Amino acid sequence: EVQLVQSGAEVKKPGESLKISCKGSGYTFTSYWIGWVRQMPGKGLEYMGIIYPGDSDTRYSPSFQGQVTISVDKSISTAYLQWSSLKASDTAIYYCARLSGNRYSFGWGDYWGQGTLVTVSS
Amino acid sequence: EIVMTQSPATLSVSPGERATLSCRASQSVSSNLAWYQQKPGQAPRLLIYGVSIRATGIPARFSGSGSGTDFTLTISSLQSEDFAVYYCQQYNDWPHTFGQGTKLEIK
Repeated sequence: EVQLVQSGAEVKKPGESLKISCKGSGYTFTSYWIGWVRQMPGKGLEYMGIIYPGDSDTRYSPSFQGQVTISVDKSISTAYLQWSSLKASDTAIYYCARLSGNRYSFGWGDYWGQGTLVTVSS
Repeated sequence: EIVMTQSPATLSVSPGERATLSCRASQSVSSNLAWYQQKPGQAPRLLIYGVSIRATGIPARFSGSGSGTDFTLTISSLQSEDFAVYYCQQYNDWPHTFGQGTKLEIK
């Protein structure tokens, strides 16, 4: 059974750093892109970026380029989303999703993590 | 970036009736269009990809149609568990983009 299990909720202060995780199981982790999706309170879904665990190729949405870092540790089948300096506007639920397809053609999100709530408040 | 626009924002329908949700892309996305369902407190769930292909385990009352820039999700006979928010998403170009969502509520 394919599963993506995300790390738990976080409460942080503005300016702090944070790294959240998404662990895949039940499939060949290195063969599918993993994406990170933001959902701000009461709002819709936005792709932040994607990473291919096989070779760490990473693509960012222009809106998020330079704002976050996406990485992976394929030895433990885990992808990460990282901030160096959080802002109150980073308060949101963050989902990871496995993208269908292969190294050269990635598509829809067929499996999703349960989400990680990040709250940034002074 | 391709902009996806969904209509209406909110749709009120009675159980057992048909619901029709629309999604329009700012440029052609070919057949690279998916639909997701999201219930409160839950992650999105894939319903349809490739415009009209139901994901594993999705009931036949969900159907998708369209091509190019105009797409439709139809739920033929609404069940209580279908009341949720629905998002369309294009995966033709990176960044993949979602519509703003249609909230399907009980009339």
